[in-house]
Amino acid sequence: DTEVTQTPKHLVMGMTNKKSLKCEQHMGHRAMYWYKQKAKKPPELMFVYSYEKLSINESVPSRFSPECPNSSLLNLHLHALQPEDSALYLCASSQVGEGRTNEKLFFGSGTQLSVL
Amino acid sequence: GNSVTQMEGPVTLSEEAFLTINCTYTATGYPSLFWYVQYPGEGLQLLLKATKADDKGSNKGFEATYRKETTSFHLEKGSVQVSDSAVYFCALKAASGTYKYIFGTGTRLKVLA
Repeated sequence: DTEVTQTPKHLVMGMTNKKSLKCEQHMGHRAMYWYKQKAKKPPELMFVYSYEKLSINESVPSRFSPECPNSSLLNLHLHALQPEDSALYLCASSQVGEGRTNEKLFFGSGTQLSVL
Repeated sequence: GNSVTQMEGPVTLSEEAFLTINCTYTATGYPSLFWYVQYPGEGLQLLLKATKADDKGSNKGFEATYRKETTSFHLEKGSVQVSDSAVYFCALKAASGTYKYIFGTGTRLKVLA
């Protein structure tokens, strides 16, 4: 299994809603990532978890709250979002500490989020 | 700081044409270099990579050579197909032990039959 699975594929939410994005991988990867991608732009790193601990937070607003309940799951909790937060949210995973040979990000297909 | 610069798109080619997408980078030390491809409605997939100077990465007919003297990692394919239509991202990872991948702005390729 070399897949990163993200749900839902599409999400429409109002500015007062609370929702969650989910990501799952069964490749034994111990680093998991959230990226945000606006149309026609490259992915922007939001958060990185390493061994289920938050390793990087790229100064993301607190209305985005990540959670890594175990080594296979990664969630992104959303609350009081703004219309400018509408984007494709990508989850990725990678091995840790395996040297350059195994450097590779495995991406999910993303959740297309629209905030109304 | 570390950065990646890609040629502006879109690039439109006829089927069987030769493809070059330019990528140059700025980094301290010896980064690993990557090309990722994103098909419509999907996430990014690793296309090829190179981890040291003069390495050539190759996959599915695509090639790129790590040129430290020109700080470049240009993507080439001898004969493109309609199915190669996608957005291509050049990326670097600065050093072992970091989780940060620096992506270029992406180059959209459209191949016409």
